Amino acid sequence: GNSVTQMEGPVTLSEEAFLTINCTYTATGYPSLFWYVQYPGEGLQLLLKATKADDKGSNKGFEATYRKETTSFHLEKGSVQVSDSAVYFCALSPSYSGAGSYQLTFGKGTKLSVIP
Amino acid sequence: DGGITQSPKYLFRKEGQNVTLSCEQNLNHDAMYWYRQDPGQGLRLIYYSQIVNDFQKGDIAEGYSVSREKKESFPLTVTSAQKNPTAFYLCASSDSLAADTQYFGPGTRLTVL
Repeated sequence: GNSVTQMEGPVTLSEEAFLTINCTYTATGYPSLFWYVQYPGEGLQLLLKATKADDKGSNKGFEATYRKETTSFHLEKGSVQVSDSAVYFCALSPSYSGAGSYQLTFGKGTKLSVIP
Repeated sequence: DGGITQSPKYLFRKEGQNVTLSCEQNLNHDAMYWYRQDPGQGLRLIYYSQIVNDFQKGDIAEGYSVSREKKESFPLTVTSAQKNPTAFYLCASSDSLAADTQYFGPGTRLTVL
């Protein structure tokens, strides 16, 4: 079956540090890949997505590149802020015929804390 | 503003009681979903619905029930049969079941006393 593996947290960084959160996946074919962010006490928000190999998703200074050869979708940001403190979830949605969004598979989440 | 609303934000229940969580969307989406989130875990799918008057069990449907009488509403009932109901519950919707992007509500935290 499909699966998503994220680096375990928590991750603690100082403001303006470089962020990388690793995500690898197992799936057949060419799934769509997502990063969602969850701020404390809130629901998930879509941060960025990529739907085919070598695509780069980007939003709010965050980037992730869909690497088919390494089955990875690592999240990066060049300079984190305190306001980026949240839990980040990597997810995939299968793309084969008959698949649906109900088959969205999430990683366990990585908690990021950014200190001033 | 279009979006998904869930109410209440916090809910307390005594053991043996049923409780219903509300989810409303004004995005005109056909598909809706309920997830359960436990600390340190990813999201697990409880139920989903692709259209009015139709819904399907997800991975952990036991002890839960849903209805879809209106396009914009997808309430979840946590029954007394659910052995460990304390969790954070998230509702989501998408344009269709085939759409690859879901949009989430703010969640309801249920605590069983």
